[in-house]
Amino acid sequence: EADIYQTPRYLVIGTGKKITLECSQTMGHDKMYWYQQDPGMELHLIHYSYGVNSTEKGDLSSESTVSRIRTEHFPLTLESARPSHTSQYLCASSVSGAYNEQFFGPGTRLTVL
Amino acid sequence: EDKVVQSPLSLVVHEGDTVTLNCSYEVTNFRSLLWYKQEKKAPTFLFMLTSSGIEKKSGRLSSILDKKELFSILNITATQTGDSAVYLCAVDPYNQGGKLIFGQGTELSVKP
Repeated sequence: EADIYQTPRYLVIGTGKKITLECSQTMGHDKMYWYQQDPGMELHLIHYSYGVNSTEKGDLSSESTVSRIRTEHFPLTLESARPSHTSQYLCASSVSGAYNEQFFGPGTRLTVL
Repeated sequence: EDKVVQSPLSLVVHEGDTVTLNCSYEVTNFRSLLWYKQEKKAPTFLFMLTSSGIEKKSGRLSSILDKKELFSILNITATQTGDSAVYLCAVDPYNQGGKLIFGQGTELSVKP
């Protein structure tokens, strides 16, 4: 079944740790996105990719980095987590074309102590 | 600066009520407007609107776009407790590489 997956769903970690949030999609979509969403707030785009070896920073500045070595995989890495990184991280994908319906993964809720 | 504004920010109704959620936008190079429903996890797609005056309908939900007045509404009739969620409006502009501009959402709570 075509879908978009994120792991872990929940993560509680200490300050200074390196973490990688995983995102995979089986829909063959070229475009993938990472959003950050604080409780009660709007989604903010932090990274996006148009395809393999393409990554761009989004509208919200983020200390995280991403990579796109395979079409289906778009991991996000924080080299040194801080409490200010506590948030929900949503991954999405869409097909290249005229319209941009984005499909979202279930999200990772990150808490940095 | 492009922006999307939703109103109200929160709404409490009783089962069976009809609600109207609003989304206004100021976006250059408008291409489409999308509505999503977000329960405790990921947003799920509801509608995409590209043309004015054409109503999109799915069960008790419907939506329409007015490109002259730059807004869209999402109607939910005969609300149920399962409709409780945050409803997100987003605009997809041309020449932005597929980056959506989201509003802050409307939190709908349907009481039994």
